[in-house]
Amino acid sequence: TQLLEQSPQFLSIQEGENLTVYCNSSSVFSSLQWYRQEPGEGPVLLVTVVTGGEVKKLKRLTFQFGDARKDSSLHITAAQPGDTGLYLCAGHGSSNTGKLIFGQGTTLQVKP
Amino acid sequence: EPEVTQTPSHQVTQMGQEVILRCVPISNHLYFYWYRQILGQKVEFLVSFYNNEISEKSEIFDDQFSVERPDGSNFTLKIRSTKLEDSAMYFCASSGKTGGVRGYTFGSGTRLTVV
Repeated sequence: TQLLEQSPQFLSIQEGENLTVYCNSSSVFSSLQWYRQEPGEGPVLLVTVVTGGEVKKLKRLTFQFGDARKDSSLHITAAQPGDTGLYLCAGHGSSNTGKLIFGQGTTLQVKP
Repeated sequence: EPEVTQTPSHQVTQMGQEVILRCVPISNHLYFYWYRQILGQKVEFLVSFYNNEISEKSEIFDDQFSVERPDGSNFTLKIRSTKLEDSAMYFCASSGKTGGVRGYTFGSGTRLTVV
C-alpha cells in the first residue's frame, strides 16, 4: 500500500518567516502534486513534479521532488498571511488509472 | 478558467435513504474521479472512471456505491442506502492527460450529512 506522510501537521509562524513542509513515502511515485485547500472547498492544484530532483518555483513557493521520487518538499519564503491554509501533497498511484494518494495535510497559519 | 461543478453543495439525508451526488466535469477531460474527505481526515480515493467504465475503485467503494455518466456531461455518484459513516465531503475531479501527467481539477464538493 502506498502511503504519503506529511510533516509537520500544523505550523504557526509569523509573517516574513520561511518554512518547509515535507512529504515522505517508502514508495516510488511516478509524479507528485501539491494542492492548497481552503475550508469548505476542493483542493486546488499548485504544481506537479515528475522528474527525480526536479525543482519548480511558483512565486515565493519552491517545490522539490526527491531524486528517488519518494519524497517532496514545499518551501515558502517570506510567508504572508495570505499563505494561510491547508497544503496537501498527493502522489499518482502505481495503477496508472489516475488515482491520487493524499497525505494528511499541513495546516499553515501565518500571523501578521 | 474551466471549473468542475458539483451539486448540491450540501445534502442532508436520513440513514438508509438513497442519495445521488452530481458533477459536471470539464468538457474536454476524459478521466473522472470521486474522492471523499471525512472531517479531519485525509482525502480518500473512491473511484476512477474512463471510457464509460470504472477503471479502479477502492475498498470503500462497495456495492452500495455506483457511478454513472448518463448523458456525456454529467457524472454522478449514487449511494444506495446511506449509513452514518458515509457523512463526509465528496469531491468530484476530472483530468486530461498531457505528456503523461494528468492535470487535475476538483469541484468544490458536496457535504453529505447522514442523520
